[in-house]
Amino acid sequence: AQSVTQPDIHITVSEGASLELRCNYSYGATPYLFWYVQSPGQGLQLLLKYFSGDTLVQGIKGFEAEFKRSQSSFNLRKPSVHWSDAAEYFCAVGPGRTGTASKLTFGTGTRLQVTL
Amino acid sequence: GAVVSQHPSWVICKSGTSVKIECRSLDFQATTMFWYRQFPKQSLMLMATSNEGSKATYEQGVEKDKFLINHASLTLSTLTVTSAHPEDSSFYICSARDMSGAETQYFGPGTRLLVL
Repeated sequence: AQSVTQPDIHITVSEGASLELRCNYSYGATPYLFWYVQSPGQGLQLLLKYFSGDTLVQGIKGFEAEFKRSQSSFNLRKPSVHWSDAAEYFCAVGPGRTGTASKLTFGTGTRLQVTL
Repeated sequence: GAVVSQHPSWVICKSGTSVKIECRSLDFQATTMFWYRQFPKQSLMLMATSNEGSKATYEQGVEKDKFLINHASLTLSTLTVTSAHPEDSSFYICSARDMSGAETQYFGPGTRLLVL
């Protein structure tokens, strides 16, 4: 069974500082990997995704993530955080090429607080 | 593109009544939609997978007679919480899978249900 671990429940960074949110997954093959962001009371917005190819993927809002197979990780990064980035971030894993509707497994989320 | 809407965004109802939540993919067709439940400060819990023209697939522990799902068209899925009770109060989020085969789920803004 696939699983996702986000070790940091809560992270606080200063505006302008760099950010890295950790995500580790457990899956037998190469999964599909996603990062979503959720603002309070809102749904989830897709930041970026990895299916195959280049292991460094670029997303929206200046975010990027790097797939490291050897570490089973897919950490999210941003070089300079803005106050508007404060939100809950979820890493998710899907079972890859199944040809059928793929269920996502979500991590428990990391709440990002940005101080001015 | 890839916009998913939910209606209503919030609803308050009396115990024992039924509540219907709609999930629509606005600019793409989705043979598969998913329904999630999210408790405060927690991750998303998949309730069921909704397939257009067929019965929904429920996750273990989710009562199918309690949470009725109908996926009547390629752009609409509905979740009906029957005989709602206070413990059904939660944030319900739907997602729609892009038919292009990109294996990406796009999420609606969520519906907050409060059962008195």
